[in-house]
Amino acid sequence: GNSVTQMEGPVTLSEEAFLTINCTYTATGYPSLFWYVQYPGEGLQLLLKATKADDKGSNKGFEATYRKETTSFHLEKGSVQVSDSAVYFCALSDNQAGTALIFGKGTTLSVSS
Amino acid sequence: NAGVTQTPKFRVLKTGQSMTLLCAQDMNHEYMYWYRQDPGMGLRLIHYSVGEGTTAKGEVPDGYNVSRLKKQNFLLGLESAAPSQTSVYFCASSYGSPGRNNSPLHFGNGTRLTVT
Repeated sequence: GNSVTQMEGPVTLSEEAFLTINCTYTATGYPSLFWYVQYPGEGLQLLLKATKADDKGSNKGFEATYRKETTSFHLEKGSVQVSDSAVYFCALSDNQAGTALIFGKGTTLSVSS
Repeated sequence: NAGVTQTPKFRVLKTGQSMTLLCAQDMNHEYMYWYRQDPGMGLRLIHYSVGEGTTAKGEVPDGYNVSRLKKQNFLLGLESAAPSQTSVYFCASSYGSPGRNNSPLHFGNGTRLTVT
């Protein structure tokens, strides 16, 4: 079945540093790809998504490009803020029917001022 | 603008006790899901439903049962709780299929369950 692998954390950065969180996937067909963010004590929120190859999802300064040739969907941000400290999850739809999402294990980001 | 509401927020059970977690959504979503979140494991799908009256097993269904009698509610039951079921449980809903319709999941704030 489909699966997703994220880089392990925690990732610790200073404010205004560049962020990359790696995500690669294994899938049959062409799944939709998502990044979710979880702030302390809350549920997950959709950060961005991409539905086909070469699509770029973007939101709140974060970007990720659907790379079919490398089966990757890396999350990037040019200048992180303390408020970006959270757990980030990469996800993809589970199969051709796409009835549910499969999540990676999550990457904890900690940004200090 | 409630979205997805989970009750209770916290619960402590003794081994062998039973309980039901309630999830309610007010967005008229067709799809609903139960996930559990454990350290180092990410989120794992327990059960899901693609419409009122339907349920299906996810990745880790053993020890859990679900019901979707009304479109807006999705119940998760533990018949005989075990310490391995200590976890944070998240309910989510989506308008359509996340794969075919690119519908995002909307999550509740979670229920923290401890089984002693």
